[in-house]
Amino acid sequence: AQSVTQLGSHVSVSEGALVLLRCNYSSSVPPYLFWYVQYPNQGLQLLLKYTSAATLVKGINGFEAEFKKSETSFHLTKPSAHMSDAAEYFCAVGRQEGGSEKLVFGKGTKLTVNP
Amino acid sequence: KAGVTQTPRYLIKTRGQQVTLSCSPISGHRSVSWYQQTPGQGLQFLFEYFSETQRNKGNFPGRFSGRQFSNSRSEMNVSTLELGDSALYLCASSLEGQGGNGYTFGSGTRLTVV
Repeated sequence: AQSVTQLGSHVSVSEGALVLLRCNYSSSVPPYLFWYVQYPNQGLQLLLKYTSAATLVKGINGFEAEFKKSETSFHLTKPSAHMSDAAEYFCAVGRQEGGSEKLVFGKGTKLTVNP
Repeated sequence: KAGVTQTPRYLIKTRGQQVTLSCSPISGHRSVSWYQQTPGQGLQFLFEYFSETQRNKGNFPGRFSGRQFSNSRSEMNVSTLELGDSALYLCASSLEGQGGNGYTFGSGTRLTVV
């Protein structure tokens, strides 16, 4: 069954530094992969999604992720962190069950941006 | 267009009571999914409704139930509340419940059981 693992429950970077949040999926290639961001007391906002159209996916707020089948990874990056990027980030995979799909989420990575 | 609306935003209930949460999806979306978020278990799938039919259900006890109306609005109900039901409940709206169309989440309902 599809699953995702996010490496590092907490990541801390300095403002202006590279952001790298790691996500690995289970060995079978998923049809869809997602990154969501959650700000305190808010719901989930979609950053980007992979749908097999392109391995490098660009999202909102300067984030992008690269799908690497050989490494079963879908890491999220941003060249230069901004204070407003401080939030929790979730990687998710779409899992088909019967005639329906559900999202299976990683445990999340809390990003801290230091001034 | 309007986003996904969840009401109420906050709820405080007593153990043993029941609660109903509401989710209004994006206009034209026919799929509504519900997720429970807790610090210990993370985000877990509760169930998914499409055109008033439950298509999928997560591993939760029967105290958790839901329904969807003809206008695609959905409600979830939790009966005989337990302390462990305290969580953020999120609903996700989708055109047809497939990842290619994406999922849009509401702001959630924060349920506290005391």
